Amino acid sequence: QQQVKQSPQSLIVQKGGISIINCAYENTAFDYFPWYQQFPGKGPALLIAIRPDVSEKKEGRFTISFNKSAKQFSLHIMDSQPGDSATYFCAASDYNTDKLIFGTGTRLQVFP
Amino acid sequence: GAGVSQSPRYKVAKRGQDVALRCDPISGHVSLFWYQQALGQGPEFLTYFQNEAQLDKSGLPSDRFFAERPEGSVSTLKIQRTQQEDSAVYLCASSPQGQGTSYGYTFGSGTRLTVV
Repeated sequence: QQQVKQSPQSLIVQKGGISIINCAYENTAFDYFPWYQQFPGKGPALLIAIRPDVSEKKEGRFTISFNKSAKQFSLHIMDSQPGDSATYFCAASDYNTDKLIFGTGTRLQVFP
Repeated sequence: GAGVSQSPRYKVAKRGQDVALRCDPISGHVSLFWYQQALGQGPEFLTYFQNEAQLDKSGLPSDRFFAERPEGSVSTLKIQRTQQEDSAVYLCASSPQGQGTSYGYTFGSGTRLTVV
């Protein structure tokens, strides 16, 4: 059973544009929602994370928006750069289980 | 070390062979996780250690998969009688914390296993 649904599967954005990736979850026990960035041949690296007590978190060009009632959260990349081209994964976890449930990933390509 | 180190980086195994994948976590990290990432998919949880204790192995797909961390540092994931469906990247992650450790994961670069 897929507990975290991610869309779109792929995304092409012009340099300077905004990239938006969406995720939806089912388990209301989830209390931690990170986004990971993965380059080819590398492991996922934590980009930014949010807990459900806030609706938005911003770190530099990266913003997470969180809608607890809709059980949805999204990643916004402002001023997208070619170096942002990578696969992005949303994830969720429950404090009691210690394991991350990942979405299926979004391949982002930013063209100059 | 500076990061999570995994070896080998690539492994080709004939169907039916046994393989062993090694993970060196960040020094002093209490928690260690193994994930399996199929091509074009997100990582899927396999198992979790807190020090030498294996606290969760609910994600291991079959009894052909076995993981250990005997001294609470280095971990080995062993796959017996490999099958083609075992082909994937196997990721290891470590965290300095105990319970509720998903907050501080650092992943290694993974071992890409190809079963032919």
